[in-house]
Amino acid sequence: GEDVEQSLFLSVREGDSSVINCTYTDSSSTYLYWYKQEPGAGLQLLTYIFSNMDMKQDQRLTVLLNKKDKHLSLRIADTQTGDSAIYFCAESGPGGYNKLIFGAGTRLAVHP
Amino acid sequence: SQTIHQWPATLVQPVGSPLSLECTVEGTSNPNLYWYRQAAGRGLQLLFYSVGIGQISSEVPQNLSASRPQDRQFILSSKKLLLSDSGFYLCAWSVKRSSGNTIYFGEGSWLTVV
Repeated sequence: GEDVEQSLFLSVREGDSSVINCTYTDSSSTYLYWYKQEPGAGLQLLTYIFSNMDMKQDQRLTVLLNKKDKHLSLRIADTQTGDSAIYFCAESGPGGYNKLIFGAGTRLAVHP
Repeated sequence: SQTIHQWPATLVQPVGSPLSLECTVEGTSNPNLYWYRQAAGRGLQLLFYSVGIGQISSEVPQNLSASRPQDRQFILSSKKLLLSDSGFYLCAWSVKRSSGNTIYFGEGSWLTVV
């Protein structure tokens, strides 16, 4: 079945690295996504990775994909208070029409 | 550039009242359109998607309906709201591709049914 799982909460100190993990079930997913949701707002696309890639880096963000284990992670270097938000992992899932399947979201809290 | 707008941003409605949330996309044509719901402390659930005018697919049985009267307009409705309809509703769009396309979200609408 289709299922995306991620831990619900992560707390880090400002300046440290944050690693948010996600597991998915559909091996046919061609793209995997990370979205960020700030309080009371919609979702903002952070980054995505194509399934034939192992790693993608974009400034402070690093995405690692282990396709064999169906494991995706998002690393935020030098975490800042402005990074406090809910981070959603999503897979493109089966079929067309881009019916993304989302995890429940990981709430990242950054403290001084 | 493409933009997506949805309104109202917040809504408090009594049980049994009707609902209409509206979403419009600008700067693109013939997009796929989506309605998601985010219940408190939970992930996003796809409610409806549309690949064209008048074409609506429902993902889960529920008290809600959707319509697409124009290419870039997507409406979420209910005739009689239930308490369980409370949540954060997100409209989204994507370009048509066979797979692996990015979905862009609106700012969301908070619905509280009392």
